[in-house]
Amino acid sequence: AQKVTQAQTEISVVEKEDVTLDCVYETRDTTYYLFWYKQPPSGELVFLIRRNSFDEQNEISGRYSWNFQKSTSSFNFTITASQVVDSAVYFCALSEVDSSYKLIFGSGTRLLVRP
Amino acid sequence: NAGVMQNPRHLVRRRGQEARLRCSPMKGHSHVYWYRQLPEEGLKFMVYLQKENIIDESGMPKERFSAEFPKEGPSILRIQQVVRGDSAAYFCASSPTDPSYEQYFGPGTRLTVT
Repeated sequence: AQKVTQAQTEISVVEKEDVTLDCVYETRDTTYYLFWYKQPPSGELVFLIRRNSFDEQNEISGRYSWNFQKSTSSFNFTITASQVVDSAVYFCALSEVDSSYKLIFGSGTRLLVRP
Repeated sequence: NAGVMQNPRHLVRRRGQEARLRCSPMKGHSHVYWYRQLPEEGLKFMVYLQKENIIDESGMPKERFSAEFPKEGPSILRIQQVVRGDSAAYFCASSPTDPSYEQYFGPGTRLTVT
């Protein structure tokens, strides 16, 4: 069965520290997609990244980077030089071809960046 | 290009009343998904629709909940005879013709049942 685990419930860092949010997934499909979404205190969900199962290249976008490793079924998210505005709940999600592409979310990691 | 629209943003209903939540997908998007976020919990899939078709309703509660996406107009999530446990944020998301692409979320409707 498909499952996404975000073991870190809450992380607190001081501004400018680097922080990594962990995500581990389970799936039987060979074709699947992984996502990260951000939910700031205002409550909306903001799309950050999408990765398909055939593309294990790491990606960097500004201060954000993602590390996808199929061997360990992980898709971790690193924020470099964190800022107060990064404070939010971050969700990792999985979708599968055989499950109508619905998003299966992890329970989320609440990140608090202190000034 | 406007994003996904949801209304109302906040809805208060008394126990036993009906709640109707509306979602207009992004222009050019033909896939609509509904998710529910209970207080202090993650998001759970409810239903996936295309125009005039329910594709996957495996996450919908068996009773009182229904969804539609008519040929014209927004998608509607309907909850009949609401109970306190229905209090949650309901999010709609849409994706383009290829549903494997990222889903873009609306701002959500926060339903409070008193």
